[in-house]
Amino acid sequence: KQEVTQIPAALSVPEGENLVLNCSFTDSAIYNLQWFRQDPGKGLTSLLLIQSSQREQTSGRLNASLDKSSGRSTLYIAASQPGDSATYLCAVTGSGTASKLTFGTGTRLQVTL
Amino acid sequence: GAGVSQTPSNKVTEKGKYVELRCDPISGHTALYWYRQSLGQGPEFLIYFQGTGAADDSGLPNDRFFAVRPEGSVSTLKIQRTERGDSAVYLCASSFLFNSPLHFGNGTRLTVT
Repeated sequence: KQEVTQIPAALSVPEGENLVLNCSFTDSAIYNLQWFRQDPGKGLTSLLLIQSSQREQTSGRLNASLDKSSGRSTLYIAASQPGDSATYLCAVTGSGTASKLTFGTGTRLQVTL
Repeated sequence: GAGVSQTPSNKVTEKGKYVELRCDPISGHTALYWYRQSLGQGPEFLIYFQGTGAADDSGLPNDRFFAVRPEGSVSTLKIQRTERGDSAVYLCASSFLFNSPLHFGNGTRLTVT
């Protein structure tokens, strides 16, 4: 059974810092990996999707990397802003169950002024 | 609207009652998913529709849960004989294709008293 772990569970950084969020998964046979952002009381917003054949994806200040063989992904946020404060969730789709995302429990990020 | 719409946003019901939760996906999205999110946890997969058919319902916890998508657009999640343990946020998502990024609604917060 696929298990997804995210470290740290919570993180507080001052505005302007670069930061890295970590995600690990137990079964490397994945179809893709996605990073999502969730604001309190809201649904999830897809930030980046990395196919299993890719090593990284970039969108603005965000960069996500994937090392499938070691079961790890990182989300790098450059020059953090207070508006980045949210919970960040990592999710993988198994190669045998392409319809089903398995989520981690998230990293709650707070960017302070 | 441009996004996934879920109604109601909040539902309070008594133990043993029947509830229906509605999801209106993004127009043209063929894939529709239901997830359930408990407090402090990542979303857990319930069911996936491709068009009108349930392609994967392996996440439904028991036979009290049922979902339909009769015309390949709007979906309804139905819960019979609700229990307090069913209390959670029920999230709906849609995607253009099953391997495309998911777009989530804001969820329905179900509270069973």
